[in-house]
Amino acid sequence: SQQGEEDPQALSIQEGENATMNCSYKTSINNLQWYRQNSGRGLVHLILIRSNEREKHSGRLRVTLDTSKKSSSLLITASRAADTASYFCATGVIQGAQKLVFGQGTRLTINP
Amino acid sequence: ETGVTQSPTHLIKTRGQQVTLRCSSQSGHNTVSWYQQALGQGPQFIFQYYREEENGRGNFPPRFSGLQFPNYSSELNVNALELDDSALYLCASSLVQGGRNEQFFGPGTRLTVL
Repeated sequence: SQQGEEDPQALSIQEGENATMNCSYKTSINNLQWYRQNSGRGLVHLILIRSNEREKHSGRLRVTLDTSKKSSSLLITASRAADTASYFCATGVIQGAQKLVFGQGTRLTINP
Repeated sequence: ETGVTQSPTHLIKTRGQQVTLRCSSQSGHNTVSWYQQALGQGPQFIFQYYREEENGRGNFPPRFSGLQFPNYSSELNVNALELDDSALYLCASSLVQGGRNEQFFGPGTRLTVL
């Protein structure tokens, strides 16, 4: 079963605008990661934020984590057409294995 | 490029058949995880291998099985294929260290069961 929910399920914006995606989860986590997937291909790791961190930056990406609300957000600034993809949050949990539990993703479309 | 490779890229099988999917880990990684991604869904954890032993399993029946070899490459075997097994199968390698668990994914194998 899926742990988290991404919101919105689909987002369409103009190139140059900022895109914000949200993720909620249900159980305690070790870390939270964001991945990008282009057209049903492999997942590309974007950023990891530990449970004791509140904000992290990587280039045009900014991730926040609020463990009290069990939620995270991914902000992509100055979007480009190449950012068109599906974005997934994945919570890192340790249940024997260190596994990732994914949400259903946000489909982001950047219009030129 | 993550350095994780999977083969084959695409595969078509019929119900009841068996399939083996292969994955080569990124150099230096000691853990391999397999995920199933149905169309329009997020990936779901199948199982993980660490030092050639199964290290945890998701909610998948025993007809899903795997192996990890001394060079850390891995196989996913599925017996008695069902139509619902049609999906993208993703392999991810990682280095279990300090609880970070960044997993690096291969391009996936698209399995179609007819």
